[in-house]
Amino acid sequence: NAGVTQTPKFQVLKTGQSMTLQCAQDMNHNSMYWYRQDPGMGLRLIYYSASEGTTDKGEVPNGYNVSRLNKREFSLRLESAAPSQTSVYFCASNPQGTGELFFGEGSRLTVL
Amino acid sequence: DAKTTQPPSMDCAEGRAANLPCNHSTISGNEYVYWYRQIHSQGPQYIIHGLKNNETNEMASLIITEDRKSSTLILPHATLRDTAVYYCIVRVQADYKLSFGAGTTVTVRA
Repeated sequence: NAGVTQTPKFQVLKTGQSMTLQCAQDMNHNSMYWYRQDPGMGLRLIYYSASEGTTDKGEVPNGYNVSRLNKREFSLRLESAAPSQTSVYFCASNPQGTGELFFGEGSRLTVL
Repeated sequence: DAKTTQPPSMDCAEGRAANLPCNHSTISGNEYVYWYRQIHSQGPQYIIHGLKNNETNEMASLIITEDRKSSTLILPHATLRDTAVYYCIVRVQADYKLSFGAGTTVTVRA
């Protein structure tokens, strides 16, 4: 099992460009999450999907959209990137009803 | 408003036990205590969780005080590979909004 796979691992964008971060899990988990982590800070929840077909806002959703494409995949889209969105983005998943999250390796995004 | 309080950093010696404290004085009866760690900007890794009883697994032990207002994560024989940021989180099982604070940066020294 690969666990949680994120692509791309690194990306550099210019202000105003758009991009989508992809996340896939092969553990048959119901719930999936997108977090961002700024230097020296903890993780902040952007969006989550409790189950296939549902998405909800986390702490810092502004500037992002998400799609739960199917049970395996949960994508995060930046429509018009801003320098404040420079961060490391982590995708996670867990079986519904547990707090044991499984994280991907992160996607490092720089917006110039 | 933080639900947990952890020291920002601590050092420990390789081979010794590392005791990581966490204060969660406002914890409610249905909230669990979870511990994660993050090694050098990798994705966080789940360590252990508990409700009120002490718990042990292959990675660590979790000691929760009787009043549940604080807990201690114990790494029994710290190694250099245990150098990481450790996060203590309280969470209701049905809550999807799991928040990570700043955690404790643990440095294991040879």
